[in-house]
Order: sequence, then C-alpha cells, then structure tokens
Amino acid sequence: GAVVSQHPSRVICKSGTSVKIECRSLDFQATTMFWYRQFPKQSLMLMATSNEGSKATYEQGVEKDKFLINHASLTLSTLTVTSAHPEDSSFYICSARAVGLYKNRAPEAFFGQGTRLTVV
Amino acid sequence: GIQVEQSPPDLILQEGANSTLRCNFSDSVNNLQWFHQNPWGQLINLFYIPSGTKQNGRLSATTVATERYSLLYISSSQTTDSGVYFCAARNSGYALNFGKGTSLLVTP
Repeated sequence: GAVVSQHPSRVICKSGTSVKIECRSLDFQATTMFWYRQFPKQSLMLMATSNEGSKATYEQGVEKDKFLINHASLTLSTLTVTSAHPEDSSFYICSARAVGLYKNRAPEAFFGQGTRLTVV
Repeated sequence: GIQVEQSPPDLILQEGANSTLRCNFSDSVNNLQWFHQNPWGQLINLFYIPSGTKQNGRLSATTVATERYSLLYISSSQTTDSGVYFCAARNSGYALNFGKGTSLLVTP
C-alpha cells in the first residue's frame, strides 16, 4: 500500500518561534497533499490543500501567513507554523492522494502519522 | 462541501460482542473511507468503499450510495479495537470531509 511519512511526530517549541513539519509520500507521487488539524477529542478539520509547484489553497478562517505551506516536489509538502502561540498547540496530520495506484477508481487518501505540537 | 454524520458518538462493548457503526452523508460520493485512529493518533485505513460491501477479517463495511449511508461492522470485538473510528467522504474537489467519529471502548 501507499505510505505517507510525517516528521516530527512530536515537537515542543517556545512561543514566538517557528516550527516546520514535513510530509512525504514514500512510494508514490502526490501532486496534491492536504493538511488537517485535530483538537483533542474532535474531528479532523481541513486547513489547506497543497499543490505541487503552485500556491496552497487555504480553507476559510485559516491564516496563510501563519501556516506556510510549500509543496516543492511530487513527494514532499511542508507546513511551517510561524510565530507559534500556545493556541496553535494541536495535532497536525497530512494526507496525500494516491493517484494512479489503483485503476478505475477515485484516488484513495493515505495519512501520515501526525505531529503533536505543543507551544509553551 | 459534503456533510458527514456518524453515530453513535460513543460506544462501550464487552470483549466478544458485535457492533455496527453508521455514517450518513449528505450528497453522492466518489470516495468514502473508514479509518481507525489509534491512541497515538495514527489514522489506519480500514476500507475504501464508495459503494458495495467489503470484508477484512472481523471487519466489514457496506455503503449504500443511493441511500447515502455506510455501515462498519465489527464482529467478536477485542480490546485492541478500542479507539476512534472515522468515516470520511468526498464528492467533489480533492479533500476528504470527516465525520465527528465514534469513540469505541472494548472492555475485557
């Protein structure tokens, strides 16, 4: 099956600093990746769609200057939380569409392991 | 986007029992997936099932696309089945929309 690797799995940072989270598709190419955020005991909320070679598309209410997304290659997307604040503490999960892996069906989504960010 | 509702929100079972989790969606779908989120947060793909029925061991799923619902069956539940089960669907665009999940606790 398709594997998506996300790094780091946990990070603690000080308020005001920036944190970069990487999402890699290991055995397939992903022209599109997605970034979700999950608060404790809640569902996953889509933050943005990351498109290889172009600007990301952000969901309403998500600050694009706060959450910088770069999709520089077909296997790597990064999310940078800039000037982090305690309210940015959350679980961030990336996903990639496995286009072309399976014939005659819409692409299946595979998820990374997630990154638990704590801002102190 | 498509709305996804899951029920029940919480479920407690004794080991060995069977259960059915339901997912209703508001529009036609071209992708529907069931996931199990383990205690560490990892989303495990259970089924890709926009229509029809599939089985994998003690788990099976059925999606009736014309009636806009999907069911996940867990038979002979084990304590390791505990966690949150999410249904997610897509009908246009690229991203999956998630339901709020069913939190399952299987007790010994």
